[in-house]
Amino acid sequence: EDQVTQSPEALRLQEGESSSLNCSYTVSGLRGLFWYRQDPGKGPEFLFTLYSAGEEKEKERLKATLTKKESFLHITAPKPEDSATYLCAVLSTGSARQLTFGSGTQLTVLP
Amino acid sequence: NAGVTQTPKFQVLKTGQSMTLQCAQDMNHNSMYWYRQDPGMGLRLIYYSASEGTTDKGEVPNGYNVSRLNKREFSLRLESAAPSQTSVYFCASSETGTGLRYTFGSGTRLTVV
Repeated sequence: EDQVTQSPEALRLQEGESSSLNCSYTVSGLRGLFWYRQDPGKGPEFLFTLYSAGEEKEKERLKATLTKKESFLHITAPKPEDSATYLCAVLSTGSARQLTFGSGTQLTVLP
Repeated sequence: NAGVTQTPKFQVLKTGQSMTLQCAQDMNHNSMYWYRQDPGMGLRLIYYSASEGTTDKGEVPNGYNVSRLNKREFSLRLESAAPSQTSVYFCASSETGTGLRYTFGSGTRLTVV
C-alpha cells in the first residue's frame, strides 16, 4: 500500500526566514511525485512533478528535490503570500492514474 | 478557460437524504476523479474514471455512486447521506500521458446533520 507522510503538520515562519517541508513516501515503484499548493476554501493547485532521484524543480521562491525515500520543498526568503497548505502526492507503478496524497503542511508566513 | 467546475459549493443534508454533486471540465481530459478531504487525513480517492464509459472504485467508495455522463461530466451521488460523509469534496481531471497533472475544482463543502 502506498503511503505518504508530510512533516511538519504546521510551520510558522517570519518573512524572509527560509525553511524546508518534508514528504516521506513508501511505494512499490515511483512513477512520479507531485507537489500542490492549496489556499483556504480552494482546490489544490499544481506546483511540480518529480520523476527520479536527484531531480530538482524550481519556481520563484520554491525548489523541490527528490531522493529515493523523500522529497523536500525548500522555501527561500518566503513572503506572506506564500502562506498556504502544501500537499505532496505520489503515483506508483501499481496505480493506474490515481494519486495518493499526504495530509499536508500548513505554512504561515508572518510579515 | 473555466477548468473544472463543481456545483453546488455548499450543501447541508439531513441524514438519509440523497443528493448528486456535479462536476464538469472543459480541458478535453480523459480522466476524472472524486476525492474527499477531511482534517488531518488528506485527500482520499472515492471513485475515478480513466476514460469515458469506465469507472472504478478508489480507497473509500462505500456509500457513493458515480456516473461518467460524457467526456466532460462526472457526477457523484450520495444515496442515503450519513454524518460520516460530512466533508469537502473535490473533483479533478487529468491529461493523458505520464504527466498526470491534476486540475482540481474549487470543492463542495457538505454537511450531513
